[in-house]
Amino acid sequence: GAVVSQHPSWVICKSGTSVKIECRSLDFQATTMFWYRQFPKQSLMLMATSNEGSKATYEQGVEKDKFLINHASLTLSTLTVTSAHPEDSSFYICSARVGDRGPNYGYTFGSGTRLTVV
Amino acid sequence: GQNIDQPTEMTATEGAIVQINCTYQTSGFNGLFWYQQHAGEAPTFLSYNVLDGLEEKGRFSSFLSRSKGYSYLLLKELQMKDSASYLCAPMDSNYQLIWGAGTKLIIKP
Repeated sequence: GAVVSQHPSWVICKSGTSVKIECRSLDFQATTMFWYRQFPKQSLMLMATSNEGSKATYEQGVEKDKFLINHASLTLSTLTVTSAHPEDSSFYICSARVGDRGPNYGYTFGSGTRLTVV
Repeated sequence: GQNIDQPTEMTATEGAIVQINCTYQTSGFNGLFWYQQHAGEAPTFLSYNVLDGLEEKGRFSSFLSRSKGYSYLLLKELQMKDSASYLCAPMDSNYQLIWGAGTKLIIKP
């Protein structure tokens, strides 16, 4: 089935540094990648939608200069958290839509990245 | 506005059956997904309903009533590994998934 590989699984960084998270679609082309953030015991919050070869669309309240998204190819999308602060500590997950409508239609998720900023 | 309503937490016994209900309000509708999410992990796909009725897939079944804005996930022959959060996620007219906080299911021996 369609797999999205996300790295790193977890990262600890110092406040003020930047962290890059990668998501690769392994056996399909992901024209669109969705980036989510999830705080403990809360729902997934869509941060932005990235489309290959164009600028990402950010949700209201998400700083595009802080969360840089690059989707340069059909198999790779990256999220860079710039100048990270402790409040950015969260679980970041990418997702891509797979298949046409039908039994295999769905969204596949990366394994997530646990970011801790100290 | 867009809204998802699911119970926060449910408890069931190993081997039993449990039904997790979901009511939703969205701007347009293009189907509804159910996902399973274990603590500290990403969601995994369980089912997708776009037409009214019941979709059965092994121990899991999902039902949809579009007129009522209602869906449920039915889990049979519960196993300890089914302890997880279950997320109901309808898709709006822009094909964007709308997420609730999910239902935490606790399975007891």
